[in-house]
Amino acid sequence: DAMVIQNPRYQVTQFGKPVTLSCSQTLNHNVMYWYQQKSSQAPKLLFHYYDKDFNNEADTPDNFQSRRPNTSFCFLDIRSPGLGDAAMYLCATSRAGTANQPQHFGDGTRLSIL
Amino acid sequence: DQQVKQNSPSLSVQEGRISILNCDYTNSMFDYFLWYKKYPAEGPTFLISISSIKDKNEDGRFTVFLNKSAKHLSLHIVPSQPGDSAVYFCAARGTGGFKTIFGAGTRLFVKA
Repeated sequence: DAMVIQNPRYQVTQFGKPVTLSCSQTLNHNVMYWYQQKSSQAPKLLFHYYDKDFNNEADTPDNFQSRRPNTSFCFLDIRSPGLGDAAMYLCATSRAGTANQPQHFGDGTRLSIL
Repeated sequence: DQQVKQNSPSLSVQEGRISILNCDYTNSMFDYFLWYKKYPAEGPTFLISISSIKDKNEDGRFTVFLNKSAKHLSLHIVPSQPGDSAVYFCAARGTGGFKTIFGAGTRLFVKA
């Protein structure tokens, strides 16, 4: 089955220690997104890629970076995680070029900060 | 600044009855609306959507209604089943854009 896969499902890191979350997709979608979701809150868009074109949300902290080396993979790098960065991180994809396409989500990576 | 609001954190419904989940939005530029369903330990999955040119879209037991003048949409599930117990997210998107704004979700409990 075509899908969006996030690894790892759970990640623990130390305060200030860089961490990378990964996402891969077999859907061949040209748009990939990263969302941050804190408990009982709405998923918040951090940034998205349209092919190699990177689009950062205005309120995404500089601490958060992303890389998309090819169509299938996208990474979220948190350079110096703080306690407030503990959250569920969701990767999603969608197909551009056709109007009104829904997003397909991975199961998320839950990040804990010690 | 919550552009998409789901004011009911939870809803409990008896099996076989109708579930009605509500969503309000503030941005009149939104023209495409989606509902996602999320089970524990899984990512959200797309359920149903509606374009602003319509006021109703139906897919089996699920119907979404859009009232543009009130900036309100609702998801009706009938009949409700225990397997429908999940968190439901309302989401909205503007014309030609990729940015999708989500509500905080409503947790639905369907009691057998």
